[in-house]
Amino acid sequence: AQSVTQLGSHVSVSEGALVLLRCNYSSSVPPYLFWYVQYPNQGLQLLLKYTSAATLVKGINGFEAEFKKSETSFHLTKPSAHMSDAAEYFCAVSDRGGKLIFGQGTELSVKP
Amino acid sequence: DTGVSQDPRHKITKRGQNVTFRCDPISEHNRLYWYRQTLGQGPEFLTYFQNEAQLEKSRLLSDRFSAERPKGSFSTLEIQRTEQGDSAMYLCAVTRDREGVRYGYTFGSGTRLTVV
Repeated sequence: AQSVTQLGSHVSVSEGALVLLRCNYSSSVPPYLFWYVQYPNQGLQLLLKYTSAATLVKGINGFEAEFKKSETSFHLTKPSAHMSDAAEYFCAVSDRGGKLIFGQGTELSVKP
Repeated sequence: DTGVSQDPRHKITKRGQNVTFRCDPISEHNRLYWYRQTLGQGPEFLTYFQNEAQLEKSRLLSDRFSAERPKGSFSTLEIQRTEQGDSAMYLCAVTRDREGVRYGYTFGSGTRLTVV
């Protein structure tokens, strides 16, 4: 069975600092991995997805993630945080039936 | 506009009442999913449809829950005899391909249910 673990339920960075949100997955088959962002009282917006092409995936709003099979990780990064990046971030894996299995989320705070 | 409309956005109901939510994708999507998200948690899968056929239901979906997608376009999720534990955000998501590989999944803004 597939699962996702997000390390750190809350991450706080200063504006302009590096953002690093951690995600580890467990999957018996090559995974499809996703990062979503959720603003308060909103649905989820896709940031980026890994579908077995390039291991370094670039997404929207300057975010990127690197798939590392040896570490079963798919960490999300952004070189320079902006105040508008403050939100909840979810890592997810798609099982072969097509449903998404989400981590518990990481709340990102950005300090001025 | 996310491409998926959910109605209502907010619903407050008394315990024991029935509620129905609607999910309306703007364009055709083969697969439609319902998720439930409680405070501080990631979304949890409830059920999904391939066109009008309901193909999988989570054990989270008790017999008080029923979902339909009668014409393979919009979908409804009904909760009968609501309980306080049903309070959550109910999210609808669609995709045009099986695992969201090519097109990803598009989520609606959700319906927030509060049972008092």
